[in-house]
Amino acid sequence: GIQVEQSPPDLILQEGANSTLRCNFSDSVNNLQWFHQNPWGQLINLFYIPSGTKQNGRLSATTVATERYSLLYISSSQTTDSGVYFCAVVTVKAGNMLTFGGGTRLMVKP
Amino acid sequence: DVKVTQSSRYLVKRTGEKVFLECVQDMDHENMFWYRQDPGLGLRLIYFSYDVKMKEKGDIPEGYSVSREKKERFSLILESASTNQTSMYLCASTPGLYYEQYFGPGTRLTVT
Repeated sequence: GIQVEQSPPDLILQEGANSTLRCNFSDSVNNLQWFHQNPWGQLINLFYIPSGTKQNGRLSATTVATERYSLLYISSSQTTDSGVYFCAVVTVKAGNMLTFGGGTRLMVKP
Repeated sequence: DVKVTQSSRYLVKRTGEKVFLECVQDMDHENMFWYRQDPGLGLRLIYFSYDVKMKEKGDIPEGYSVSREKKERFSLILESASTNQTSMYLCASTPGLYYEQYFGPGTRLTVT
């Protein structure tokens, strides 16, 4: 089936630092989403980005579909950015269901 | 804004009880999903529905059933709860499989 790998698995930052999270996938995708799971467990939609680049405040994302990866950039990190970031893709191979990566656990220290 | 709500944030049930988890979305989405999330195993699809009264099994349907009598509501049923069904349950909806999927706040179910 489809492989979705995220790196790094864990990341610790000082408040104000920038970071880049990576998502590699093994097949062509029809949908790619980035989520932030907050400490209460809710998955917050960050980006719907099967290709191209998007920005939303301090966060931006780029998907290079031909090379099968996506990047999530967090600038000027804040303690509220802590949590787990998931990349998820939809592929025909996975029956057009959302397949999640293993996540990157981010801790931002004050 | 899309809103997906779940009936409970936390739930504690006893082994053998019948458990109902409710999910409601307010955006007239065709597709609705139930996932469970466990440490080390990630999110796994239990069931999904692409229309009223239609359902398809996901990766781990054993021990679960679902009901979708109205478009906005998708229920997950544990016929006889067991301790290995202790988990975080997440509901989601989307207008189409290639579109953005939206998640509810989750229900942390503990079966004792």
